[in-house]
Amino acid sequence: DTEVTQTPKHLVMGMTNKKSLKCEQHMGHRAMYWYKQKAKKPPELMFVYSYEKLSINESVPSRFSPECPNSSLLNLHLHALQPEDSALYLCASSQSGPGNSPLHFGNGTRLTVT
Amino acid sequence: AQTVTQSQPEMSVQEAETVTLSCTYDTSESDYYLFWYKQPPSRQMILVIRQEAYKQQNATENRFSVNFQKAAKSFSLKISDSQLGDAAMYFCAYRSAVKAAGNKLTFGGGTRVLVKP
Repeated sequence: DTEVTQTPKHLVMGMTNKKSLKCEQHMGHRAMYWYKQKAKKPPELMFVYSYEKLSINESVPSRFSPECPNSSLLNLHLHALQPEDSALYLCASSQSGPGNSPLHFGNGTRLTVT
Repeated sequence: AQTVTQSQPEMSVQEAETVTLSCTYDTSESDYYLFWYKQPPSRQMILVIRQEAYKQQNATENRFSVNFQKAAKSFSLKISDSQLGDAAMYFCAYRSAVKAAGNKLTFGGGTRVLVKP
């Protein structure tokens, strides 16, 4: 069983829709991440939150809006997406301090934009 | 910026035999961390093994071991006694120890491992 829970597992949305992806962890981790993964490619970092503050934004388009309401929750708000945004979106968490602290990943949300 | 390269898109291994996956990285830093992650068809990324650059001893986790060559910037993964459940995509990843770099994890392109019964 994964310790990082992502919902929904699958999402189909139109280009004019607004939707949100949710991620939750209860391991006491203070760093949380969003990654985007296209088929047969490695995950690409989108955002990093450290102690509920955005610490890294990898020049992600504004149609993706992250939010970290508390230390256990991470959301990704989606608006006016393009078909090329279809991908697997992975959430992860880790201890914030030690660099050797591994990332714990969720099972991802498979997003299809029509 | 650091880069991670996995030169083998796909590797095939007979069940119970050994396979080695290669990974090289480029960095100007002296302190960093290296990881191997496994991603089966279930999609979840699972940590296989990790190595601290300051440690000379190669990490080992059951049937998984690494050959860390710091001077050569090489970090290969050996899977011994391969099992059907080892079939997955394997990603090598780099993480800086510099605090200002944040918690960024940089992945290689991945190697698909096929296990033949």
